[in-house]
Amino acid sequence: AQTVTQSQPEMSVQEAETVTLSCTYDTSENNYYLFWYKQPPSRQMILVIRQEAYKQQNATENRFSVNFQKAAKSFSLKISDSQLGDTAMYFCAFIKASGAGSYQLTFGKGTKLSVIP
Amino acid sequence: KAGVTQTPRYLIKTRGQQVTLSCSPISGHRSVSWYQQTPGQGLQFLFEYFSETQRNKGNFPGRFSGRQFSNSRSEMNVSTLELGDSALYLCASSLSGVPYGYTFGSGTRLTVV
Repeated sequence: AQTVTQSQPEMSVQEAETVTLSCTYDTSENNYYLFWYKQPPSRQMILVIRQEAYKQQNATENRFSVNFQKAAKSFSLKISDSQLGDTAMYFCAFIKASGAGSYQLTFGKGTKLSVIP
Repeated sequence: KAGVTQTPRYLIKTRGQQVTLSCSPISGHRSVSWYQQTPGQGLQFLFEYFSETQRNKGNFPGRFSGRQFSNSRSEMNVSTLELGDSALYLCASSLSGVPYGYTFGSGTRLTVV
């Protein structure tokens, strides 16, 4: 079974500053995907960024980037130039690429990020 | 294009009753997954349907069931409700369940009293 751990229950950052959210995972799989989802008060889970395990290059999406360390099983999210709209719960998630159980996301407990004006 | 639509948005039920939640996926998406979100347990996978077949099921009691219709719309049912079933139930859809394309709805907030 896979596990995903987010060690920071809450974080805060000043507007326009940079913040990094941590995520570690445990799996015996070699092929998998990792995600960061954002859940604002509207409750909808919004995909922020995705990383394929077979790709060594770290994924980036505008102000969001990841630091993917496969050997260390670490997948951190960096948010640059933080904006008030980034205030939300952030969830790290894992999914197998194939085989049994490959259609379910395993989520961490989440990190509540507050962006301070 | 329309997103994933979940109805109702809020629901209050009495212990022992049953409830049915609905999820309409994005047009063309054939895979629908359900997740339960609670403050204590976080997000937990319930089940996933593809082309009307359940492909995967999480570790939930048999009181939790689901189905998918030929138009890909899905329903989940919880029978004999317990207080602990109070949660946000989220639905996600994707084209085929391929892991890069999950889109979530805004969820149904179920409160059991």
